[in-house]
Amino acid sequence: AQSVTQLGSHVSVSEGALVLLRCNYSSSVPPYLFWYVQYPNQGLQLLLKYTTGATLVKGINGFEAEFKKSETSFHLTKPSAHMSDAAEYFCAVYFSGNTGKLIFGQGTTLQVKP
Amino acid sequence: DAMVIQNPRYQVTQFGKPVTLSCSQTLNHNVMYWYQQKSSQAPKLLFHYYDKDFNNEADTPDNFQSRRPNTSFCFLDIRSPGLGDAAMYLCATSRGGRVGNTEAFFGQGTRLTVV
Repeated sequence: AQSVTQLGSHVSVSEGALVLLRCNYSSSVPPYLFWYVQYPNQGLQLLLKYTTGATLVKGINGFEAEFKKSETSFHLTKPSAHMSDAAEYFCAVYFSGNTGKLIFGQGTTLQVKP
Repeated sequence: DAMVIQNPRYQVTQFGKPVTLSCSQTLNHNVMYWYQQKSSQAPKLLFHYYDKDFNNEADTPDNFQSRRPNTSFCFLDIRSPGLGDAAMYLCATSRGGRVGNTEAFFGQGTRLTVV
């Protein structure tokens, strides 16, 4: 079965601390992986994506993520959190095939404390 | 420049009164998605079009239907809205295919209130 799991619905860090948001997926075929950010009452904005090639991908706002096939993971990191990073983060996986579709994880709320 | 446009941004409808939400795109993408997102939850895929092919998720209620008259437009019809259908509805597009980019572009969403 195809699925996406984000561990931890809420993550709280201090400003300047490392941000780590976890994402694991289940797929029988190589997936395409994404992280999106959502601010209140807004649509979804793409942070970064992995399709093929280098497994460490860099995105906007200093975020990066590493695709680890052996662990079926695509964790999102940022070395130093800013207050403006507080938002909802969604991991998403595109499962290719005849009817290819994009499925989201449950989301993780990132709180940044001063 | 808006690429995926949803209208209206806010929609209030009466319980049981049919309502239609619209989505248009300027990207010429062949895939269009409709997601339902309730407060503090992940977007839930209702259905999507891959070219003209309609793909309904197994757990999407029959109350929800969709139309895609051409590449640029897609509509979400809720035949008899219930209080539980109040949510943000997100439209997205992507370029699908074996070597597709697959990145999805989202509209701003339509927040539906049922009274």
